[in-house]
Amino acid sequence: DAGVIQSPRHEVTEMGQEVTLRCKPISGHNSLFWYRQTMMRGLELLIYFNNNVPIDDSGMPEDRFSAKMPNASFSTLKIQPSEPRDSAVYFCASSLPLAGNYNEQFFGPGTRLTVL
Amino acid sequence: AQSVTQLDSQVPVFEEAPVELRCNYSSSVSVYLFWYVQYPNQGLQLLLKYLSGSTLVESINGFEAEFNKSQTSFHLRKPSVHISDTAEYFCAVRRTGGAQKLVFGQGTRLTINP
Repeated sequence: DAGVIQSPRHEVTEMGQEVTLRCKPISGHNSLFWYRQTMMRGLELLIYFNNNVPIDDSGMPEDRFSAKMPNASFSTLKIQPSEPRDSAVYFCASSLPLAGNYNEQFFGPGTRLTVL
Repeated sequence: AQSVTQLDSQVPVFEEAPVELRCNYSSSVSVYLFWYVQYPNQGLQLLLKYLSGSTLVESINGFEAEFNKSQTSFHLRKPSVHISDTAEYFCAVRRTGGAQKLVFGQGTRLTINP
């Protein structure tokens, strides 16, 4: 299995531009998570989906951020307009359907975003 | 809500020395506990987990962690570290029912010196 795939791995953009991060979960996984990692705030959950439906988006910082999961094999995280404080590493993770109340989350390699 | 505190942001040790990475959590409900490892320029990988049963859990590469409910701690230990253990380690919790949200600590950077 290829694992969770994220693209691009690195993104450098200018303030005000739209940024789209992409994630392909592991085949058969029905839960997908978007995390953000910064020096100041550490690793925090932004949003997660079960069966393509957003379950908890309380971590999405503001209206500039949006996430979609149009099908079981693809998700996007969009920032419009981007700001320098959005610079971070964004991780996507996926897991199998809940069994016994727990399933391991498998993380992708992350996208390092720099907003100038 | 849950929170996790990792007391040390950086821990330097010599190769073959023992190490302990400290983790304390706060939660009003029962939780599962995890340690994740992040090698340079990679995503996080699950190192070990406590779900129920024995409070001492072990990983395949010699790490162990003990769940202490009274002290709300889940410290990670290894009796003898190797250069390849150099990484950042994250403690995380998740409530036992329903929501799959993981709450992470700030991370501890473990540096192994020869």
